Amino acid sequence: NAGVTQTPKFQVLKTGQSMTLQCAQDMNHEYMSWYRQDPGMGLRLIHYSVGAGITDQGEVPNGYNVSRSTTEDFPLRLLLAAPSQTSVYFCASKPLSGTGIYYGYTFGSGTRLTVV
Amino acid sequence: ELKVEQNPLFLSMQEGKNYTIYCNYSTTSDRLYWYRQDPGKSLESLFVLLSNGAVKQEGRLMASLDTKARLSTLHITAAVHDLSATYFCAVEYGQNFVFGPGTRLSVLP
Repeated sequence: NAGVTQTPKFQVLKTGQSMTLQCAQDMNHEYMSWYRQDPGMGLRLIHYSVGAGITDQGEVPNGYNVSRSTTEDFPLRLLLAAPSQTSVYFCASKPLSGTGIYYGYTFGSGTRLTVV
Repeated sequence: ELKVEQNPLFLSMQEGKNYTIYCNYSTTSDRLYWYRQDPGKSLESLFVLLSNGAVKQEGRLMASLDTKARLSTLHITAAVHDLSATYFCAVEYGQNFVFGPGTRLSVLP
């Protein structure tokens, strides 16, 4: 199984540019999410989705946009990149809570983004 | 709003010694997860704790959960260099997980 696939692994953007981080999973998980990881701050939730056509904001959603047209894909869009968005981004998926299946998140390999 | 704290944030220990990492959280939850992250890598699942009193062990690591105290511990027995990594606890809150800030562990020879 491929699990959760994130692309690209590394990206450098100029301030004001836009880009899309891709995330795809092949485990038929209903839940998908995006986190950013900054030194000393753990992982903070940006956006999440509990199924195709359903998205919601997390703790730090400003400057990011998401959509979920299929169960497999959950892209994250940076609209106008800013240096404060320099971070490592992780996509994660899992079965929905309440289904009786609990094994936590499966994470992608991460995208290291630098905005200059 | 759920807050998750870990202590210590940094831990330097000698090989062969024992130590405990603490994870406490502010709101009731019955499910807690531990992850390991090596530098420059993604997060790897270590333990899934699903109820009060749950205890899981894998090699030199043992995790436990006390939901009444809102506390989980990750105990390291006879540390070896290969355990050097950052350890995160994550508390399930609705459909999402809230992560602690991480404990960076260095095991010295």
